[in-house]
Amino acid sequence: QVQLAQSGAEMKKPGASVKVACKASGYTFTGYYIHWVRQAPGQGLEWMGWINPKSGVTKYAQKFQGRVTMTRDTSINTAYVELGRLSSDDTAVYYCGRDTLEGYYMDVWGKGTTVTVSS
Amino acid sequence: QSALTQPASVSGSPGQSITISCTGTRSDVGGYNLVSWYQQYPGNAPKLIIYEVTKRPSGVSYRFSGSKSGNTASLTISGLQADDEAHYYCSSYADISSLVFGGGTTLTVL
Repeated sequence: QVQLAQSGAEMKKPGASVKVACKASGYTFTGYYIHWVRQAPGQGLEWMGWINPKSGVTKYAQKFQGRVTMTRDTSINTAYVELGRLSSDDTAVYYCGRDTLEGYYMDVWGKGTTVTVSS
Repeated sequence: QSALTQPASVSGSPGQSITISCTGTRSDVGGYNLVSWYQQYPGNAPKLIIYEVTKRPSGVSYRFSGSKSGNTASLTISGLQADDEAHYYCSSYADISSLVFGGGTTLTVL
């Protein structure tokens, strides 16, 4: 069964960094790209970027350039997103999603990780 | 990259058809046949219901269909059912390997 299992909820202070994990199972991890998408409370979906697990190549949304890092560990089939210099505006549910990058669509999503930024 | 434009809300009665629009530019919706639609229930992850403008993933009801004309894509739900009440998001490939989402539409089944 194809699954993306995400790490647990995080609570951070402003100015700190957070790292969220997305562990793939049931398919060849290096055969699909991973997107990261976030959703602030009561708001819509916001694309953050993607990583190619095979090569490590990344593409970030302009809004997050310089503040986001996407990495992967192929030995444990896990992708990561790290966001730095957190502010209350980064409070959101962070999702990972699988994509072949042929159609730029996500056919499998993780359940989401809640990140709360508060002093 | 600006978000794609969707109506904030639409509504319909059971059995009716509704259409949700998604307007972009030539740099995204109009330039590529790479529009997707997602259904999201509160507290849940999004679910893919349409990809590459018109294609339906296995297991998605035939009542969901997609189309595109110029810079505007559309999702049509026919034979509206109570459990279609959810949030719907469009997304599109955008220039230089990026992705952009619409602001989302809340569908209410009256």
